[in-house]
Formats: sequence, structure tokens, C-alpha cells
Amino acid sequence: IVLTQSPGTLSLSPGERATLSCRASHSVTSDYLAWFQQKPGQAPRLLIYGVSNRATGIPDRFTGSGSGTDFTLTINRLEPEDFAVYYCHQYGSSRGTFGQGTKVDMK
Amino acid sequence: EVQLVQSGPEVKKPRESLQISCKGSGYSFTNYWIGWVRQTPEKGLEWMGIIYPGDSDTRYSPSFQGQVTFSVDKSINTAYLQWSSLKASDTAMYYCAATDGSNVYYFAYWGQGTLVTVSS
Repeated sequence: IVLTQSPGTLSLSPGERATLSCRASHSVTSDYLAWFQQKPGQAPRLLIYGVSNRATGIPDRFTGSGSGTDFTLTINRLEPEDFAVYYCHQYGSSRGTFGQGTKVDMK
Repeated sequence: EVQLVQSGPEVKKPRESLQISCKGSGYSFTNYWIGWVRQTPEKGLEWMGIIYPGDSDTRYSPSFQGQVTFSVDKSINTAYLQWSSLKASDTAMYYCAATDGSNVYYFAYWGQGTLVTVSS
């Protein structure tokens, strides 16, 4: 399954809402869709799994939604620490793929 | 606290062999899948595959099948990623990551990464 993320870059200001899209080439098995955040020099961090479940310690301004082939990560009220690269990831049938990433940078 | 600690950076020449490691602690090592992820500036994150330490059940991405080998040593809670003959195109950051159970496949926990540089 190929995952295509858009836009490539999102330029926003703190306090604004970010809407990130992830489109799959085929339907994602059993809603096995996750989102990760990665900052420079760090490993990715799990934000969302199973389309809409927040991982431990993830603030509720992060929301995942979608089904089938279209998925969205929404970040409400951007905080300075939220400026990073975000990746979607499908892990159905124990064969995974990642999207190419969306960079959220400060306007 | 779940921790995955990877071995240090490597600089190798083409056609050399290499094994990097990932030691887990703070959880039942044999009950969580361990995966490997490659990252390059050109291709971003690439899912290489997963191994289940309990029985060494292994699933490779088609892109990496035959190019690398996963293994584990349960006695020391360590997973390994091995190359028999490196290429320059293997230059990348490699992450190990663990799932959150035996029936889930998303990576909840990540190592700090091992930078592998292959150059003549």
C-alpha cells in the first residue's frame, strides 16, 4: 500500500489549526493507520494508532480521523513544540509502509 | 519504562559485513514485535520488516527481502540487523522499534537510531 501525504509543507503560526492528509492506494486493513511526529535529530514518536487513538501522553489537541483510503491528522491550536515533520504509517497484514511526510513549519 | 538502546555509529566500506544491535528493557522482550526502519533524506522512513522474539517469526518488506537479516538473542533481550555485503546505498539512519504487544503492529517505542555510513 502506497501512502501519499499532503501538503508537503504547511506554514502556520502558533495557535492555528493544522490539517494533514494521508491517502492510501488501497483500503487500509482493519484501520491499521498510525501517525508519528519527528523532530530534527530525534527518533519518530507515536502520536496516533488505530486511526484515532492517542498514544500515552499525547495531548488532546492531536486528533486522528478517517477510514478506508483517506485519513487526517488535525492539530488544534499549534504549540511551538508541534513544529515538526509528521508521517502516516499503515501496518495492516504485518506489512508496513510510511508516507513521505508533511513538514509543519512556523510562518 | 520501556527502553530500546541501539549500538553506536558505524563507518564501513562496500562489500564489508555489519551487524547492529538493539537492546530492549523495561518490558517482556519476547512478547512484543521488534521492527527495523531505515531513514534517508531522499526516501524518508522505510519499513524494513519485523521479528517476533518469542519464536523468531520474521516478516520482511519485499524491498529488503534478501538484502538484510533480522535475528534475536532472547537471553540478552537483543535484536540484530545484519548485512553480509554492504553497498553505498545502505548509508542511512536505522531505527529499531517495538510494538505494544503481540497482536499489534504499530511501533510504540523507538531506539535512538544507528547511523551507518558506507563509503570507499
